[in-house]
Amino acid sequence: NAGVMQNPRHLVRRRGQEARLRCSPMKGHSHVYWYRQLPEEGLKFMVYLQKENIIDESGMPKERFSAEFPKEGPSILRIQQVVRGDSAAYFCASSRNFASTDTQYFGPGTRLTVL
Amino acid sequence: GQQLNQSPQSMFIQEGEDVSMNCTSSSIFNTWLWYKQDPGEGPVLLIALYKAGELTSNGRLTAQFGITRKDSFLNISASIPSDVGIYFCAGQLFQGAQKLVFGQGTRLTINP
Repeated sequence: NAGVMQNPRHLVRRRGQEARLRCSPMKGHSHVYWYRQLPEEGLKFMVYLQKENIIDESGMPKERFSAEFPKEGPSILRIQQVVRGDSAAYFCASSRNFASTDTQYFGPGTRLTVL
Repeated sequence: GQQLNQSPQSMFIQEGEDVSMNCTSSSIFNTWLWYKQDPGEGPVLLIALYKAGELTSNGRLTAQFGITRKDSFLNISASIPSDVGIYFCAGQLFQGAQKLVFGQGTRLTINP
């Protein structure tokens, strides 16, 4: 089952540390999306990337957060100097193309806990 | 920004009962999606709706895309224990913006 892979599944960081979340899209998919989910809430869009390009980062905080999707390797969501409010589940989704009928398939998520 | 209002927030039903939940928006969406999320997992797509007025079924699930393109509902017939979970509606505005806007979710609990 070559679904969307995310690692680590759980990540614990102390305030001020850096968090790196990885996402490998489904085979044949070149579009990646990152979403954040706070407890008891729906998912909130953060950023949309294609290979080597950021297409839409309208949902990403301006500071401390960055994302990349290099030509080779997984997409990385990086959070610098984490704070307690960054504790959440971070989901990655991928799609084959950008047509409205191209389904976004979600990974299992990374649960980030900031102590 | 765009927001989706999903109701009810939670449901407690008996096994075998039918379930209905809906989603409304102040904005028009060109695609409506319904996802289910189990604890500790990512959302799984249940039904996708692409045309206003479209009614689509997937087994015991039925969903409709409202005529105004501002609402959608999901029905589950004859609920079973594995239907337990959180159901999310999501809207997608296709004009080069592929992000999904999610509702707050409906938590379904089934009493056997």
